[in-house]
Amino acid sequence: GQQLNQSPQSMFIQEGEDVSMNCTSSSIFNTWLWYKQDPGEGPVLLIALYKAGELTSNGRLTAQFGITRKDSFLNISASIPSDVGIYFCAGRPDGGSNYKLTFGKGTLLTVNP
Amino acid sequence: ETGVTQSPTHLIKTRGQQVTLRCSSQSGHNTVSWYQQALGQGPQFIFQYYREEENGRGNFPPRFSGLQFPNYSSELNVNALELDDSALYLCASSSVANLAEAFFGQGTRLTVV
Repeated sequence: GQQLNQSPQSMFIQEGEDVSMNCTSSSIFNTWLWYKQDPGEGPVLLIALYKAGELTSNGRLTAQFGITRKDSFLNISASIPSDVGIYFCAGRPDGGSNYKLTFGKGTLLTVNP
Repeated sequence: ETGVTQSPTHLIKTRGQQVTLRCSSQSGHNTVSWYQQALGQGPQFIFQYYREEENGRGNFPPRFSGLQFPNYSSELNVNALELDDSALYLCASSSVANLAEAFFGQGTRLTVV
């Protein structure tokens, strides 16, 4: 099935560093969502974006909906050990199939205390 | 407010058998979607139910079927299990007022041997 291009695949950083990851698509999306998944758990919604150019924050997390509507990025500032996990971008395509979410393959984040 | 709950959490089945997975929606949510997440991948959309009817389907064969009940809970049924069906199965619920945001349960880990 179709998946978004999410990068990087994995990151290993020191506690306190900032992190940036992004997601691109070949088609236009009308909604971008960012999720975090811990081992053995379901994805937890972090941020939802609804308009091109929108910049939204949730604590130390900031995400943007790209102007072309084909990309999005997530920044985490001042990382802490509990930020460890897999981060997924997900989007709802424009048009008739907007009932489904298309996911990226995830970015595995490891934070060294 | 209760979140999305799924049962069972783990399941082992033999190839060729049938399985039923269950999901209770988050309070106030009337739309349920099912996703399959293979190891190391992002979730893949299976189908969505609204008002007890399937209103969208991903690229999965007919042996994947579902039900939604009047209380908005849902079942995923898989017939003639194959080894490749081994995955984490995730249920997500949304409210019709905000279909864009999907909230996930913890998932059911299905192993087919």
